[in-house]
Amino acid sequence: EAGVVQSPRYKIIEKKQPVAFWCNPISGHNTLYWYLQNLGQGPELLIRYENEEAVDDSQLPKDRFSAERLKGVDSTLKIQPAELGDSAVYLCASSLNNGQGANTGELFFGEGSRLTVL
Amino acid sequence: DQQVKQNSPSLSVQEGRISILNCDYTNSMFDYFLWYKKYPAEGPTFLISISSIKDKNEDGRFTVFLNKSAKHLSLHIVPSQPGDSAVYFCAASAWDNDMRFGAGTRLTVKP
Repeated sequence: EAGVVQSPRYKIIEKKQPVAFWCNPISGHNTLYWYLQNLGQGPELLIRYENEEAVDDSQLPKDRFSAERLKGVDSTLKIQPAELGDSAVYLCASSLNNGQGANTGELFFGEGSRLTVL
Repeated sequence: DQQVKQNSPSLSVQEGRISILNCDYTNSMFDYFLWYKKYPAEGPTFLISISSIKDKNEDGRFTVFLNKSAKHLSLHIVPSQPGDSAVYFCAASAWDNDMRFGAGTRLTVKP
């Protein structure tokens, strides 16, 4: 079974440029997460989707970040314009929610997209 | 607001000895705890979990202990192997919240 697939693995851009990351979750997983991981820190949640609905985007900087999950499968995360402080690894994860609210099972992570903003 | 804390950024142990990784949390609503393992250039992978109704869960060489009164959990690896060298993240979730991660502890197991 294929795991969570993310692309691109690496992206280098100049500040003020746009960037987009794509995530394909594990087939059948209804919950999808985007996490931000800075160097030396743990993953921090940006947004969580239950199917196509964003149920928690409180940590997403909405002035420059946007995300969508059309048809409740693949998802994209966009940053426009990028700033120097956005350099980090962007992790996508998916899980099979038990229908009782927030996930209580394991999350399956992709390999991440490492962004460098110059 | 760091609700999950791993105060030791690194740990080094000899092969064959026990590794003990610690984690503290502040949110008493957390009821499910997990440990993830991460190798360089890879995403975190699930290792072991424990529900708040238990105080111990064992899976092979890995055992997680939960002390709810102290809001503390630990991961024991015995015996430690060089392949266990990785960054270990503690995570916690509540029924109405999302999973929160600690900053990670880098474990090095020396041959």
